[in-house]
Amino acid sequence: SQQGEEDPQALSIQEGENATMNCSYKTSINNLQWYRQNSGRGLVHLILIRSNEREKHSGRLRVTLDTSKKSSSLLITASRAADTASYFCATDAGGSYIPTFGRGTSLIVHP
Amino acid sequence: EADIYQTPRYLVIGTGKKITLECSQTMGHDKMYWYQQDPGMELHLIHYSYGVNSTEKGDLSSESTVSRIRTEHFPLTLESARPSHTSQYLCASSEYGDRAFFGQGTRLTVV
Repeated sequence: SQQGEEDPQALSIQEGENATMNCSYKTSINNLQWYRQNSGRGLVHLILIRSNEREKHSGRLRVTLDTSKKSSSLLITASRAADTASYFCATDAGGSYIPTFGRGTSLIVHP
Repeated sequence: EADIYQTPRYLVIGTGKKITLECSQTMGHDKMYWYQQDPGMELHLIHYSYGVNSTEKGDLSSESTVSRIRTEHFPLTLESARPSHTSQYLCASSEYGDRAFFGQGTRLTVV
Protein backbone atom coordinates (compact mmCIF):
# COMPACT_ATOMS: atom_id res chain seq x y z
CA SER A 1 0.00 0.00 0.00
CA GLN A 2 1.08 3.57 -0.59
CA GLN A 3 2.80 5.34 2.27
CA GLY A 4 1.54 8.82 1.43
CA GLU A 5 -1.94 10.00 0.54
CA GLU A 6 -2.56 13.45 -0.92
CA ASP A 7 -5.72 15.43 -0.36
CA PRO A 8 -7.62 16.71 -2.25
CA GLN A 9 -7.33 14.52 -5.33
CA ALA A 10 -8.21 17.48 -7.53
CA LEU A 11 -8.17 21.24 -7.00
CA SER A 12 -9.39 23.97 -9.35
CA ILE A 13 -8.67 27.63 -8.58
CA GLN A 14 -8.34 31.02 -10.25
CA GLU A 15 -5.01 32.67 -10.99
CA GLY A 16 -3.83 34.69 -8.01
CA GLU A 17 -5.46 32.45 -5.41
CA ASN A 18 -3.51 30.24 -3.02
CA ALA A 19 -3.50 26.46 -3.40
CA THR A 20 -3.08 24.12 -0.44
CA MET A 21 -2.45 20.41 -0.75
CA ASN A 22 -2.11 17.95 2.10
CA CYS A 23 -0.23 14.71 2.51
CA SER A 24 -0.72 12.08 5.22
CA TYR A 25 1.56 9.13 5.81
CA LYS A 26 1.56 6.05 7.98
CA THR A 27 5.00 5.26 9.42
CA SER A 28 7.95 7.26 10.71
CA ILE A 29 10.06 9.01 8.12
CA ASN A 30 13.50 10.52 7.63
CA ASN A 31 12.27 13.13 5.21
CA LEU A 32 9.29 14.10 3.08
CA GLN A 33 9.53 15.51 -0.41
CA TRP A 34 7.15 17.26 -2.77
CA TYR A 35 7.35 16.84 -6.53
CA ARG A 36 5.55 18.30 -9.50
CA GLN A 37 4.62 16.47 -12.70
CA ASN A 38 3.47 18.14 -15.86
CA SER A 39 1.25 16.02 -18.07
CA GLY A 40 3.01 12.93 -19.36
CA ARG A 41 6.48 13.92 -18.20
CA GLY A 42 8.94 13.07 -15.44
CA LEU A 43 8.74 14.45 -11.92
CA VAL A 44 10.52 17.60 -10.83
CA HIS A 45 11.64 17.99 -7.23
CA LEU A 46 10.21 21.01 -5.36
CA ILE A 47 11.14 20.80 -1.68
CA LEU A 48 12.62 18.30 0.78
CA ILE A 49 11.80 18.70 4.47
CA ARG A 50 13.55 16.57 7.09
CA SER A 51 11.79 14.98 10.05
CA ASN A 52 13.34 17.46 12.50
CA GLU A 53 12.10 20.46 10.50
CA ARG A 54 8.67 22.03 10.79
CA GLU A 55 8.54 24.48 7.90
CA LYS A 56 10.46 25.32 4.71
CA HIS A 57 10.04 27.98 2.06
CA SER A 58 11.13 28.15 -1.56
CA GLY A 59 9.89 31.12 -3.57
CA ARG A 60 6.09 30.90 -3.65
CA LEU A 61 6.12 27.47 -2.02
CA ARG A 62 5.70 26.80 1.68
CA VAL A 63 5.85 23.30 3.16
CA THR A 64 4.96 22.33 6.71
CA LEU A 65 5.53 19.03 8.46
CA ASP A 66 3.75 17.76 11.57
CA THR A 67 5.33 14.45 12.57
CA SER A 68 2.93 14.00 15.50
CA LYS A 69 0.01 13.98 13.05
CA LYS A 70 2.04 12.30 10.30
CA SER A 71 1.02 14.99 7.84
CA SER A 72 2.48 17.67 5.59
CA SER A 73 1.03 20.49 3.56
CA LEU A 74 2.20 22.32 0.44
CA LEU A 75 1.03 25.89 -0.05
CA ILE A 76 1.46 27.63 -3.40
CA THR A 77 0.82 31.34 -3.03
CA ALA A 78 -0.39 33.67 -5.79
CA SER A 79 -0.88 30.79 -8.19
CA ARG A 80 -0.30 31.10 -11.92
CA ALA A 81 -1.71 29.19 -14.88
CA ALA A 82 1.78 27.67 -15.29
CA ASP A 83 1.37 25.99 -11.87
CA THR A 84 -1.19 23.64 -13.44
CA ALA A 85 0.24 20.16 -12.84
CA SER A 86 0.01 17.14 -10.55
CA TYR A 87 1.73 17.40 -7.17
CA PHE A 88 3.02 14.37 -5.31
CA CYS A 89 4.42 13.86 -1.85
CA ALA A 90 7.03 11.17 -1.27
CA THR A 91 8.25 9.68 1.97
CA ASP A 92 11.05 7.28 2.78
CA ALA A 93 9.28 4.99 5.20
CA GLY A 94 11.22 3.01 7.77
CA GLY A 95 14.61 4.43 7.07
CA SER A 96 14.86 2.78 3.68
CA TYR A 97 15.46 6.10 1.92
CA ILE A 98 13.36 4.73 -0.95
CA PRO A 99 10.94 7.46 -2.14
CA THR A 100 7.37 6.14 -1.90
CA PHE A 101 4.71 8.23 -3.58
CA GLY A 102 1.07 9.00 -2.93
CA ARG A 103 -1.72 9.36 -5.51
CA GLY A 104 -1.07 13.03 -6.11
CA THR A 105 -3.21 16.16 -6.29
CA SER A 106 -4.21 17.44 -9.72
CA LEU A 107 -4.12 21.25 -9.66
CA ILE A 108 -5.76 23.36 -12.36
CA VAL A 109 -5.19 27.11 -12.26
CA HIS A 110 -7.55 29.06 -14.51
CA PRO A 111 -6.20 32.25 -16.10
CA GLU B 1 18.64 20.27 -14.88
CA ALA B 2 18.54 16.50 -14.34
CA ASP B 3 21.38 14.43 -15.83
CA ILE B 4 19.30 11.30 -16.12
CA TYR B 5 18.17 10.02 -19.48
CA GLN B 6 15.64 7.48 -20.62
CA THR B 7 15.29 5.97 -24.06
CA PRO B 8 13.15 5.48 -25.96
CA ARG B 9 10.68 8.22 -25.08
CA TYR B 10 7.82 6.37 -26.76
CA LEU B 11 7.60 2.72 -27.81
CA VAL B 12 4.85 0.74 -29.53
CA ILE B 13 5.51 -2.97 -29.88
CA GLY B 14 3.67 -6.20 -30.54
CA THR B 15 2.72 -8.80 -27.95
CA GLY B 16 5.46 -11.31 -27.19
CA LYS B 17 8.39 -9.06 -28.09
CA LYS B 18 11.38 -8.65 -25.81
CA ILE B 19 12.18 -5.04 -24.95
CA THR B 20 14.74 -3.15 -22.91
CA LEU B 21 14.11 0.32 -21.55
CA GLU B 22 17.31 2.26 -21.05
CA CYS B 23 18.14 4.56 -18.14
CA SER B 24 21.45 6.33 -17.59
CA GLN B 25 22.61 8.98 -15.11
CA THR B 26 25.82 10.97 -15.01
CA MET B 27 25.62 12.15 -11.39
CA GLY B 28 27.36 9.15 -9.85
CA HIS B 29 24.35 8.28 -7.72
CA ASP B 30 24.40 4.86 -6.08
CA LYS B 31 20.64 4.57 -5.73
CA MET B 32 18.43 4.10 -8.76
CA TYR B 33 14.75 3.28 -9.14
CA TRP B 34 12.11 2.23 -11.64
CA TYR B 35 8.50 3.32 -11.17
CA GLN B 36 5.42 2.39 -13.19
CA GLN B 37 2.65 4.96 -13.61
CA ASP B 38 -0.66 4.71 -15.43
CA PRO B 39 -2.10 8.04 -16.70
CA GLY B 40 -3.31 10.23 -13.86
CA MET B 41 -2.43 7.62 -11.27
CA GLU B 42 0.14 7.11 -8.54
CA LEU B 43 3.71 5.93 -9.02
CA HIS B 44 4.40 2.32 -8.11
CA LEU B 45 7.94 1.25 -7.26
CA ILE B 46 8.81 -1.86 -9.28
CA HIS B 47 12.62 -2.12 -8.91
CA TYR B 48 15.46 -0.38 -7.10
CA SER B 49 19.19 -0.67 -6.65
CA TYR B 50 21.60 0.45 -3.94
CA GLY B 51 24.60 0.22 -6.24
CA VAL B 52 26.51 -2.01 -8.64
CA ASN B 53 25.34 -5.66 -8.53
CA SER B 54 22.46 -4.71 -6.21
CA THR B 55 18.86 -5.10 -7.42
CA GLU B 56 15.65 -5.42 -5.42
CA LYS B 57 11.97 -5.80 -6.29
CA GLY B 58 9.65 -3.02 -5.27
CA ASP B 59 6.14 -2.92 -3.87
CA LEU B 60 4.38 -3.65 -7.15
CA SER B 61 4.84 -7.10 -8.59
CA SER B 62 6.32 -6.83 -12.04
CA GLU B 63 7.30 -9.32 -14.71
CA SER B 64 10.21 -7.13 -15.69
CA THR B 65 13.84 -7.60 -14.65
CA VAL B 66 16.68 -5.14 -14.10
CA SER B 67 20.46 -5.20 -13.96
CA ARG B 68 23.09 -2.89 -12.48
CA ILE B 69 26.49 -3.72 -13.94
CA ARG B 70 27.66 -0.08 -14.01
CA THR B 71 26.81 2.73 -11.61
CA GLU B 72 25.43 4.94 -14.34
CA HIS B 73 23.25 2.36 -16.12
CA PHE B 74 20.03 0.68 -14.89
CA PRO B 75 18.14 -0.97 -17.77
CA LEU B 76 14.74 -2.63 -17.41
CA THR B 77 13.83 -5.66 -19.55
CA LEU B 78 10.54 -7.31 -20.41
CA GLU B 79 11.17 -10.76 -21.87
CA SER B 80 7.71 -11.08 -23.43
CA ALA B 81 5.60 -7.94 -23.56
CA ARG B 82 1.83 -8.11 -23.06
CA PRO B 83 -0.94 -5.49 -23.37
CA SER B 84 -1.11 -5.37 -19.54
CA HIS B 85 2.43 -3.92 -19.58
CA THR B 86 1.16 -0.80 -21.34
CA SER B 87 2.09 2.07 -19.03
CA GLN B 88 4.62 4.83 -18.40
CA TYR B 89 7.93 3.77 -16.88
CA LEU B 90 9.91 6.36 -14.92
CA CYS B 91 13.54 5.99 -13.91
CA ALA B 92 15.10 8.00 -11.06
CA SER B 93 18.31 8.24 -9.06
CA SER B 94 19.40 9.82 -5.79
CA GLU B 95 21.98 10.02 -3.07
CA TYR B 96 21.02 8.60 0.32
CA GLY B 97 18.47 10.80 2.08
CA ASP B 98 18.41 13.34 -0.72
CA ARG B 99 16.12 14.39 -3.52
CA ALA B 100 15.45 12.09 -6.45
CA PHE B 101 16.12 13.09 -10.05
CA PHE B 102 13.73 11.70 -12.65
CA GLY B 103 14.10 10.98 -16.32
CA GLN B 104 11.41 12.04 -18.78
CA GLY B 105 9.89 8.58 -18.83
CA THR B 106 9.18 5.91 -21.45
CA ARG B 107 5.59 5.56 -22.56
CA LEU B 108 5.13 1.92 -23.58
CA THR B 109 2.20 0.62 -25.60
CA VAL B 110 1.90 -3.11 -26.27
CA VAL B 111 -0.54 -4.00 -29.04
